[in-house]
Amino acid sequence: QVQVVQSGAEVKKPGASVNLSCRTSGYNFALYNIHWVRQAPGQRPEWMGWIHGGSGDTKFSQNFQGRVTITKDTSANIAYLDLTSLTSEDTAVYYCARGGGFIDYWGQGTLVTVAS
Amino acid sequence: EIVLTQSPGTLSLSPGERATLSCRASQSVSNNYLAWYQQKPGQAPRLLIYAASSRATGIPDRFSGSGSGTDFTLTISRLESEDFAVYYCQQYGSSYTFGQGTKLEIK
Repeated sequence: QVQVVQSGAEVKKPGASVNLSCRTSGYNFALYNIHWVRQAPGQRPEWMGWIHGGSGDTKFSQNFQGRVTITKDTSANIAYLDLTSLTSEDTAVYYCARGGGFIDYWGQGTLVTVAS
Repeated sequence: EIVLTQSPGTLSLSPGERATLSCRASQSVSNNYLAWYQQKPGQAPRLLIYAASSRATGIPDRFSGSGSGTDFTLTISRLESEDFAVYYCQQYGSSYTFGQGTKLEIK
């Protein structure tokens, strides 16, 4: 069965960067995108970007252009999210999820807290 | 960017009743690429419906989706206790955007 498992919670200071990982199993990693979606407390989910598990093509929301990088290790079925120049507004649960068009299987989420 | 507006913000119903949730898009959703998710506190969203009306794997048939263009509906035919949650619509026809959610609460 498809499984998506994310790295643990992070606490960062303003101005720092965070790197999150997303390990998948149970399907052909190279055939699907991995999306990153974040959700601030009490807010709707917000799509950040995706990477294709085979080609490595990426697409990002304009809201994060220049601050976000998504990479992958196809041999290990892992995707990574790097987010730079963190502010308190980046405090949220970050989800990775599998998707072709629609997004189907989601990880458990990683809480990132940005505080001085 | 396509803006999705959900209504009502909160829906108070009793188990066994029928729930109707609405999602309106600011412009036509390409290919009716509209999905519905259920989210419970502390959990990730769970895919219910994709392509406006197709049920995801393992989703009970009391959940159904309909609509096209700019107006979409999620219907839960007979509410069960585990259905009380927040529901989001999402479009994936032009980038990805989510509605603000409808909270379905027990009356």
